Amino acid sequence: DTGVSQDPRHKITKRGQNVTFRCDPISEHNRLYWYRQTLGQGPEFLTYFQNEAQLEKSRLLSDRFSAERPKGSFSTLEIQRTEQGDSAMYLCASSTRVSNEQFFGPGTRLTVL
Amino acid sequence: RKEVEQDPGPFNVPEGATVAFNCTYSNSASQSFFWYRQDCRKEPKLLMSVYSSGNEDGRFTAQLNRASQYISLLIRDSKLSDSATYLCVVNRIDYKLSFGAGTTVTVRA
Repeated sequence: DTGVSQDPRHKITKRGQNVTFRCDPISEHNRLYWYRQTLGQGPEFLTYFQNEAQLEKSRLLSDRFSAERPKGSFSTLEIQRTEQGDSAMYLCASSTRVSNEQFFGPGTRLTVL
Repeated sequence: RKEVEQDPGPFNVPEGATVAFNCTYSNSASQSFFWYRQDCRKEPKLLMSVYSSGNEDGRFTAQLNRASQYISLLIRDSKLSDSATYLCVVNRIDYKLSFGAGTTVTVRA
């Protein structure tokens, strides 16, 4: 399968714990995006990378959130000191530089108890 | 006001029927437009891009009205497998997608 992959698919954690998610984009895609989706809503933009450079962060991304894409390939999203409000589906997408069509991974469903 | 607004539905239609729904967007500087399909607890999947002249892909037809800032999707000859949530998506800057909350379509036998 050469699509976007995400790991883990599900994560249950206790409030206050740190969690890290991984995204592997489609190999030739140099743009990578993170979104968050809660029940009944569409995905909301969190942050965006072009190669290894993080070019924008949404105000939704508090100081507890950090994302990296160190070699311009896979990316990680870390949430520190998780809160119950962080429970959501975290989606990763990728695209080429010349196309605005973004392709999504299966998501990581986070539940904070 | 949300950047992209959709009628949440649900639209409950029999197999073979035609169903159509719209979304509106608030920013006239929006550049690209898409419809994504999302099945329950799955990721969004690109259904089709929407072009200014309107475009068709099999049973699906998308229209864009820039003057009124709305996008439409029409599904002809509905199949059971068309049951899903359809997300209207607008690209204002060249990378950030703004999603509507989705329109739920249920096709019944």
